[in-house]
Amino acid sequence: DIRMTQSPASLSASLGETVNIECLASEDIYSDLAWYQQKPGKSPQLLIYNANSLQNGVPSRFSGSGSGTQYSLKINSLQSEDVATYFCQQYNNYPPTFGGGTKLELK
Amino acid sequence: QVQLKESGPGLVQPSETLSLTCTVSGFSLTSYGVNWVRQPPGKGLEWMGTIWNDGSTDYNSALKSRLSISRDTSKSQVFLKMNSLQTEDTAIYLCARGTTEGIGGYFDYWGQGVMVTVSS
Repeated sequence: DIRMTQSPASLSASLGETVNIECLASEDIYSDLAWYQQKPGKSPQLLIYNANSLQNGVPSRFSGSGSGTQYSLKINSLQSEDVATYFCQQYNNYPPTFGGGTKLELK
Repeated sequence: QVQLKESGPGLVQPSETLSLTCTVSGFSLTSYGVNWVRQPPGKGLEWMGTIWNDGSTDYNSALKSRLSISRDTSKSQVFLKMNSLQTEDTAIYLCARGTTEGIGGYFDYWGQGVMVTVSS
């Protein structure tokens, strides 16, 4: 199975700040990577697919980048509603696997 | 609009079988696959398996011997059955609509999830 390692595991940032979350795959996943946002008590919501494509309805302050084994999610101008846990997921090989999550809190 | 909703018992006895239903609306099961994903309390996400739009299935090898996914297209329902439950199977169980990108696809719509506790 492809192992997805996210960093950091938790993050504290201020309103308006820019935040970066990293995801490292154990092998090349050829940009078959999605990012999800999960707010407390809610189900995950798709933010980014194909490493850098923004899902319909997702604010443009969210962006994804990367290739090969290294990927990142960037949140510009952090808002209070962005407090959540973020997961990456690879779909280049079976089984689909998720990163361990990054919990984002407000400072 | 696209919706998925899980239903099933909240409590299952150890060694018993879990049966869950995912009822979908806003899309056809013959056009999209549906996945089951679970999340132990406070932990990460684990993909369990998929039923594709053609009715074929794929399972996580770690669960394959205990897991079965089926569907009733006339009722827009997908079913999960997993036997020999243990306490470590306690989790929120979610169904999610899948895409055909890559090999396993990503998940563009999710249900709210159902908490299943395995306990005597």
